Amino acid sequence: NAGVMQNPRHLVRRRGQEARLRCSPMKGHSHVYWYRQLPEEGLKFMVYLQKENIIDESGMPKERFSAEFPKEGPSILRIQQVVRGDSAAYFCASSSTSGPNTGELFFGEGSRLTVL
Amino acid sequence: DQQVKQNSPSLSVQEGRISILNCDYTNSMFDYFLWYKKYPAEGPTFLISISSIKDKNEDGRFTVFLNKSAKHLSLHIVPSQPGDSAVYFCAATTGGGADGLTFGKGTHLIIQP
Repeated sequence: NAGVMQNPRHLVRRRGQEARLRCSPMKGHSHVYWYRQLPEEGLKFMVYLQKENIIDESGMPKERFSAEFPKEGPSILRIQQVVRGDSAAYFCASSSTSGPNTGELFFGEGSRLTVL
Repeated sequence: DQQVKQNSPSLSVQEGRISILNCDYTNSMFDYFLWYKKYPAEGPTFLISISSIKDKNEDGRFTVFLNKSAKHLSLHIVPSQPGDSAVYFCAATTGGGADGLTFGKGTHLIIQP
């Protein structure tokens, strides 16, 4: 009974490269959220997706960041032309119903991005 | 602008005693509050939640209190156990649930033997 699966757990990139982070929600969950945790900070909401739809991307930086949750396959958070400030832990969470108000979010173990 | 504030970065409590973690919020539209617990190198796990129509919710050793007029909530853990040592995040959201959670910066709870 797998929980939320994120990979890679650790990713090292040089400035200017692209980073792709993958998230498979819990079985039966169709709502996916991405959060970012910078060093010494709390988790900050980035984007909320359902299958093939972006519901709320108010927390996403306007440039270089994109997310998708295709009909088949995992959700992908893509960061183009990474900079050192992108170094953070990126957490994916899923839920079975609309939003966290009706149930808690289940988090993955995170993907730690280090930009050299 | 921090809408959810956890002003104590760390808290040390003796095993068996009560741990009280505090959280303040500024957005009066928040109406649902959650506490998450996080161990190093793991994702946060849900602990307990409370709706704004209540002022207390209890689950075993964990109790969350909500004071809407003060925009303050607290998590009580009693008795504290060594396995409770972790970072605790307070989170809040507005009605409808379509928005993501707004998290505080966390409080690192250390349970001393």
